[in-house]
Amino acid sequence: AQSVTQLDSHVSVSEGTPVLLRCNYSSSYSPSLFWYVQHPNKGLQLLLKYTSAATLVKGINGFEAEFKKSETSFHLTKPSAHMSDAAEYFCVVSDPGTDKLIFGTGTRLQVFP
Amino acid sequence: EADIYQTPRYLVIGTGKKITLECSQTMGHDKMYWYQQDPGMELHLIHYSYGVNSTEKGDLSSESTVSRIRTEHFPLTLESARPSHTSQYLCASSEYCGRVDCEQYFGPGTRLTVT
Repeated sequence: AQSVTQLDSHVSVSEGTPVLLRCNYSSSYSPSLFWYVQHPNKGLQLLLKYTSAATLVKGINGFEAEFKKSETSFHLTKPSAHMSDAAEYFCVVSDPGTDKLIFGTGTRLQVFP
Repeated sequence: EADIYQTPRYLVIGTGKKITLECSQTMGHDKMYWYQQDPGMELHLIHYSYGVNSTEKGDLSSESTVSRIRTEHFPLTLESARPSHTSQYLCASSEYCGRVDCEQYFGPGTRLTVT
């Protein structure tokens, strides 16, 4: 069965400092992995996705994630946080054959000035 | 910006009332989904559809029902609302994919409160 574990429920950073949001996955197959962001009172927006092409995936708003099979990880990073990055971030794995998305519990990112 | 709409955005309603949450998409996507999300929690799939006249129950048991009479429309109905139904409901859609790398596009959600 597919699953994802987001290792931190809350992450706080200062504006201009790097962001690291951690995600580990479990999958019996070569997984498709996604990061979604949810701003308050908004729907989810896709940041980036990994689909077995390049292991380093670049997304929107300066975010990127690296797929590491040996570590079963798909951590999300950004070199320099901006106040507008404050939101809830979800790591997601898809279930082969059903197109169902399996969501992690989310990481709330706070950015301080 | 994804063209998927949900109405109402917020709804406060009394116990026992029948409610319908609307979801529409203009992207011509075959697959549509309903998720339930409690505050600070992950999303749970409650219903999905592969296309017109197709509806399936998701991973989380729900007393709600759905219908898919038109491609663009996927309403969710609660026949008799209860306080335990208080939650945020998110609708999503995607293209039909043979592989599993389909991006799902999400609506803004409906925040339901049952008093």
